[in-house]
Amino acid sequence: GAGVSQSPSNKVTEKGKDVELRCDPISGHTALYWYRQSLGQGLEFLIYFQGNSAPDKSGLPSDRFSAERTGGSVSTLTIQRTQQEDSAVYLCASSLGPGLPYEQYFGPGTRLTVT
Amino acid sequence: DAKTTQPNSMESNEEEPVHLPCNHSTISGTDYIHWYRQLPSQGPEYVIHGLTSNVNNRMASLAIAEDRKSSTLILHRATLRDAAVYYCILASGNTPLVFGKGTRLSVIA
Repeated sequence: GAGVSQSPSNKVTEKGKDVELRCDPISGHTALYWYRQSLGQGLEFLIYFQGNSAPDKSGLPSDRFSAERTGGSVSTLTIQRTQQEDSAVYLCASSLGPGLPYEQYFGPGTRLTVT
Repeated sequence: DAKTTQPNSMESNEEEPVHLPCNHSTISGTDYIHWYRQLPSQGPEYVIHGLTSNVNNRMASLAIAEDRKSSTLILHRATLRDAAVYYCILASGNTPLVFGKGTRLSVIA
């Protein structure tokens, strides 16, 4: 079956521009997560959705970052006024939930480069 | 946050078993022990998880100490494709995963 998909796969943008990253979770998965991974670093949690609400936004690094989820499905991560330190691979994951510790399925990621 | 401690790196010969250790002395009663791995240039993938009892699946086995303060991921026969960073993570429910630095496993042909 179809896994988690993300688009675009690569994005190069100029410093100061806004970008939108999209995540399509596995159908029926109510939980959705955004992480990012800077070059050579571990994964950093950004935000978590249960349905359309975000009970945990604690990982968003600044108010330039925002995310929404509509219809309990597609999610968009928006970064305003991008900075060079935003360059990273942005990963989305989804899982059945809540309750039991269902496995998280990760997408292939969006590689963001801010020049 | 519940934390885990793993060796930075390990090496194994192909077709030999690999035991990847993880210490989690501050584990709480509701924490599950999860293992994920990340192959080069890919997103993480689930390997296995458990609560108290040892677990087996097609990918690996998870051995959990009786006091739950440590666990070991066992790959029964390492292949070149198993070369990856392995993450041991504690989480309860479907809370977000907190990834540490993991163990980089190298497999030698």
